[in-house]
Amino acid sequence: TQLLEQSPQFLSIQEGENLTVYCNSSSVFSSLQWYRQEPGEGPVLLVTVVTGGEVKKLKRLTFQFGDARKDSSLHITAAQPGDTGLYLCAGADYGGSQGNLIFGKGTKLSVKP
Amino acid sequence: GAGVSQTPSNKVTEKGKYVELRCDPISGHTALYWYRQSLGQGPEFLIYFQGTGAADDSGLPNDRFFAVRPEGSVSTLKIQRTERGDSAVYLCASSSSGATADTQYFGPGTRLTVL
Repeated sequence: TQLLEQSPQFLSIQEGENLTVYCNSSSVFSSLQWYRQEPGEGPVLLVTVVTGGEVKKLKRLTFQFGDARKDSSLHITAAQPGDTGLYLCAGADYGGSQGNLIFGKGTKLSVKP
Repeated sequence: GAGVSQTPSNKVTEKGKYVELRCDPISGHTALYWYRQSLGQGPEFLIYFQGTGAADDSGLPNDRFFAVRPEGSVSTLKIQRTERGDSAVYLCASSSSGATADTQYFGPGTRLTVL
């Protein structure tokens, strides 16, 4: 069974601080996605990384896919209260069903003004 | 354009009852997915449709769960003899073709509570 472990599970920081959340697995994924979910809503895709070692930037967010395609990180610079939410990583099963996304448990981020 | 919609938004039922949850995907999307999200967990894959057929139903927990998509658009997730452990948010997502790199667009979910 492929598992994605996210850390930390909870993170509470002050506005302006930097943070990194991690997504790790012992399995290889064909691609890895990061989502943000707010209460009462479905997850919203932030980025998809496909190539080992790939780095993508989305404004203050930087995403990295590990060289071996087993892990990823999300770094937020100068966090703002609007960044508050649940951050989920999800891996596409390498060689498996195209539809089968495997999600981590998420990192619940709270940014205080 | 309209996103993925799910009805009802909340459903409270009693143990042993039958429930149906509906998903309206984005128009033109051929792939449709159902996930279940329990409190404090990430979404868990249940079933994936490509058109009218279930391409992968390996995530359905047991034979009390069944899903259909008869015309390749709207899908219904059916749960028989509900149990308290079925309480969760049921999420539906759709994508344009079902390719691995396709973006899955999620609906707001149906919160099911089994008393």
